[in-house]
Amino acid sequence: AQKITQTQPGMFVQEKEAVTLDCTYDTSDPSYGLFWYKQPSSGEMIFLIYQGSYDQQNATEGRYSLNFQKARKSANLVISASQLGDSAMYFCAMSPGSSNTGKLIFGQGTTLQVKP
Amino acid sequence: DAGVIQSPRHEVTEMGQEVTLRCKPISGHDYLFWYRQTMMRGLELLIYFNNNVPIDDSGMPEDRFSAKMPNASFSNLKIQPSEPRDSAVYFCASSLAVYNEQFFGPGTRLTVL
Repeated sequence: AQKITQTQPGMFVQEKEAVTLDCTYDTSDPSYGLFWYKQPSSGEMIFLIYQGSYDQQNATEGRYSLNFQKARKSANLVISASQLGDSAMYFCAMSPGSSNTGKLIFGQGTTLQVKP
Repeated sequence: DAGVIQSPRHEVTEMGQEVTLRCKPISGHDYLFWYRQTMMRGLELLIYFNNNVPIDDSGMPEDRFSAKMPNASFSNLKIQPSEPRDSAVYFCASSLAVYNEQFFGPGTRLTVL
């Protein structure tokens, strides 16, 4: 079964510190894509970062980086130098390759609160 | 460029009424997705289109739900008749191609009384 698991319902981090949000996935497809989205309290879904299963290097986008460990089937999001505006719900998602559709399977999300 | 546009942003209706949610994808995007978000079930894909053609509607809850994409710049999701359990936030998203990131609209918060 294809599944995304986010085991941390809620996380706290001090402003300016780094934080890691966990994500594990389950798929038998050799080709797939992994995504992270941010959902602030206003409700919109904001794309953060993408990692392809064949990418040799971990993806980075500004303060966001994805710690991709293929053998462990994990795709953790690292946010460096946390800011108050990072407080939000974060979703990990997978696009399985077998269907070749771009269809996203989402995890349950992790709520991050940044403390001043 | 404008992002994905959804209307209305909020909808309150009574059980049994027809509800129509609208979406305008980003110009040039070939894929359009409809999602539903609830506390209990999280984010669920309802249906998606490729070049205006419905590809997978296996996530549509039941026959009360229907979606169309008459052209590349518009899609609607209809619920008829609506029920209280349909209360949720409905998102529309579009993407350029397979494996590209999906850009989400602001969502429509639906409340069925």
